[in-house]
Amino acid sequence: DIVMTQTPLSSPVTLGQPASISCKSSQSLVHSDRHTYLSWLQQRPGQPPRLLIYEISNRFSGVPDRFSGSGAGTDFTLKISRVEAEDVGVYYCMQATQFPHTFGQGTKLEIK
Amino acid sequence: QVQLVESGGGVVQPGRSLRLSCAASGFTFSTYGMHWVRQAPGKGLEWVAVIWYDGSVKHYADSVEGRFTISRDNSKNTLYLQMDSLRAEDTAVYYCARDGSPPRWDVWGQGTTVTVSS
Repeated sequence: DIVMTQTPLSSPVTLGQPASISCKSSQSLVHSDRHTYLSWLQQRPGQPPRLLIYEISNRFSGVPDRFSGSGAGTDFTLKISRVEAEDVGVYYCMQATQFPHTFGQGTKLEIK
Repeated sequence: QVQLVESGGGVVQPGRSLRLSCAASGFTFSTYGMHWVRQAPGKGLEWVAVIWYDGSVKHYADSVEGRFTISRDNSKNTLYLQMDSLRAEDTAVYYCARDGSPPRWDVWGQGTTVTVSS
């Protein structure tokens, strides 16, 4: 199974400041079709997960442009350019390149 | 609007069975793959199973293989998860999610809670 490792696990951030979450996979996430199925999800308190980013860097419909994704191969990053109060929650990276699909442990974003 | 609504959760004794449903609306259900994902209390997300748009292919997590069965009825716009031989460690909120095109889990239900306890 592909292991997804996120750092940090907790990220206290000041409103208006940037935040960054790293996600590393134990194997390359490049699929045989040449796509890389690495997504980022946000889960606000008491809510189901919500898709933010798919295929490394594609922002899903309705996601603010302060969220961006980057990376390749086994190393990926989610960045929030200026954290807002509504960004509080847990962020997960996940891979859908190989079965079983797997998630990172989650990174809790909180406001200082 | 596009929506997924799970149901069927509850409290069940170890070793018993439960069937979850996920009702889809607002989109052409029969053209999308569907997933079940679960989240144990206070824990992270765990993928459970996937079924292709036409039901032809299914994959399971090792933790549920042989005990859980994913299925769908495209005439009823409904996804199912039959859970047999339930264990305490299956206690979780179960979410269904749509696999969009290009592949991405773009629609999620609100979840249904399963508690396995004697």
